[in-house]
Amino acid sequence: DTGVSQNPRHKITKRGQNVTFRCDPISEHNRLYWYRQTLGQGPEFLTYFQNEAQLEKSRLLSDRFSAERPKGSFSTLEIQRTEQGDSAMYLCASSLDYSEAFFGQGTRLTVV
Amino acid sequence: DAKTTQPPSMDCAEGRAANLPCNHSTISGNEYVYWYRQIHSQGPQYIIHGLKNNETNEMASLIITEDRKSSTLILPHATLRDTAVYYCIATLMNRDDKIIFGKGTRLHILP
Repeated sequence: DTGVSQNPRHKITKRGQNVTFRCDPISEHNRLYWYRQTLGQGPEFLTYFQNEAQLEKSRLLSDRFSAERPKGSFSTLEIQRTEQGDSAMYLCASSLDYSEAFFGQGTRLTVV
Repeated sequence: DAKTTQPPSMDCAEGRAANLPCNHSTISGNEYVYWYRQIHSQGPQYIIHGLKNNETNEMASLIITEDRKSSTLILPHATLRDTAVYYCIATLMNRDDKIIFGKGTRLHILP
């Protein structure tokens, strides 16, 4: 399967710990997006990359959040000093230029 | 992005056509209308998009009104697997734009 891959699928962490999620986009897709989704809500935009350049960050992305996409391939999303409010599904998507986006299955984070 | 308005939920009988409306009265001339859906516990899935003309693919048809202020997604023969949240999005789809989701329409297909 050459779709968008996200790891891990599930993560349980204690409050205050750091977590890192990985997203492997579809090969040759130059745009990569991160979203966060809580129960009953639509996905909320966090940030996106054009190749290795991070073009925009939502105000939802506090200083505890950082995303990288070295070499314009895979991307990581790190959350430092996790809080219970960070519990959510974190979705990654990729697209070729400005075409439709393909989403991964997401990483479900639970902060206890 | 233009704001889109969708009903929060809809029911449709299995085998019938499901018609999902979307209002985007402030859409600009170069904004596309995109539809995605999200089945429970999965990431969103692209369905179809259009600018001015009606579009059809293997999944659905998209009917855009002449004034482009509203559109309808049509699933011609709904099955239980079509139960999902459907999102209508208006976007420029250029370098400076991204996909912004609203709350969508929760479609229940009834057996």
